[in-house]
Amino acid sequence: DAGVIQSPRHEVTEMGQEVTLRCKPISGHDYLFWYRQTMMRGLELLIYFNNNVPIDDSGMPEDRFSAKMPNASFSTLKIQPSEPRDSAVYFCASFGLANTGELFFGEGSRLTVL
Amino acid sequence: LAKTTQPISMDSYEGQEVNITCSHNNIATNDYITWYQQFPSQGPRFIIQGYKTKVTNEVASLFIPADRKSSTLSLPRVSLSDTAVYYCLVGGVNRDDKIIFGKGTRLHILP
Repeated sequence: DAGVIQSPRHEVTEMGQEVTLRCKPISGHDYLFWYRQTMMRGLELLIYFNNNVPIDDSGMPEDRFSAKMPNASFSTLKIQPSEPRDSAVYFCASFGLANTGELFFGEGSRLTVL
Repeated sequence: LAKTTQPISMDSYEGQEVNITCSHNNIATNDYITWYQQFPSQGPRFIIQGYKTKVTNEVASLFIPADRKSSTLSLPRVSLSDTAVYYCLVGGVNRDDKIIFGKGTRLHILP
């Protein structure tokens, strides 16, 4: 399996622009998580889905952030409009089939908002 | 969710055994203890998970005392490539639990 796939790996944009981050979870995984990581705040859980349904979005910082999972193999995290304080690495992760607690992470999308 | 406390950073030398202890005084009966490793510019990676006593795999050992209020991740004979951030997480394997990462322990291996 190719693992969790995220795109783009790097994005540089200007304040006010829309940003869309994409994630393809491991096939068969029914849970998908979005995290954001910065030096100051560490690794923060933004939202997670079960069977394509958002379960908890209490970590989404504000209305500028939205996430969707239209099917089991694809999810997006959108920021509109983007601000410099959104600069971070955004990770997507999916849960393994076996009940082992192992969360598989993608390589992350590094976002820089100028 | 059980809160975890672990050292912010640790230094060690190549070839040494490194033990990182995590405190989780409020661990619940059905909670497991899971450790992840994160290298720079990568996402965290699962290392080991346990419920009680001792668990060992090809990467590490996890020691959990009878009261389960703490756990110790043991890395045998570390190398420079073990320099990373190590996270201790406590929670049920019920996948409806949030998976929350703390600040982790930044381990720096010196030559």
